[in-house]
Amino acid sequence: SQQGEEDPQALSIQEGENATMNCSYKTSINNLQWYRQNSGRGLVHLILIRSNEREKHSGRLRVTLDTSKKSSSLLITASRAADTASYFCATTDSWGKLQFGAGTQVVVTP
Amino acid sequence: EPEVTQTPSHQVTQMGQEVILRCVPISNHLYFYWYRQILGQKVEFLVSFYNNEISEKSEIFDDQFSVERPDGSNFTLKIRSTKLEDSAMYFCASSEVGRGTAFFGQGTRLTVV
Repeated sequence: SQQGEEDPQALSIQEGENATMNCSYKTSINNLQWYRQNSGRGLVHLILIRSNEREKHSGRLRVTLDTSKKSSSLLITASRAADTASYFCATTDSWGKLQFGAGTQVVVTP
Repeated sequence: EPEVTQTPSHQVTQMGQEVILRCVPISNHLYFYWYRQILGQKVEFLVSFYNNEISEKSEIFDDQFSVERPDGSNFTLKIRSTKLEDSAMYFCASSEVGRGTAFFGQGTRLTVV
């Protein structure tokens, strides 16, 4: 079964605007993590939210988790051109295996 | 800051050849993983490794794949007889605890010709 499906698939915004992307999943989770990937590069960990947490902040990032709806959102406030990347959510099972979604491609134009 | 390192960054190999992808996980981490990402597709789990044995593997991880931790620092992925469809970016990851943050290397781009 697929886990961590993000929407939208692509998002184009201007610098200074906020970017919001959503992630839905199907099975129960231990935690949910968000990653960023610049084109052709590695995955950079952004934030981890545990299943008993509802909201978490890290700098300009805000993540929410609604386990009743099996969904999470990532908000990037005051976006910058350097935020241009693909963003992935990934659910974690009890062994730490990550299941990734297809990602949201974010383009921030100056 | 500690990081996961992978070598080589890019490998080109002929179909049918064996390749070994190398990873040095973060030193105090106990859980190790390999993932792959075919161009334009999502990141897929291959295998997890803990306490010197495979803890979980996906259906992609068939008999042509194997993993090894030959010494205290390296973690390798071997593909015995490469196929064209093995062309992908291969990522190594490690975590301190099983359900904790997984840190990824920069990946090895494998091209099978």
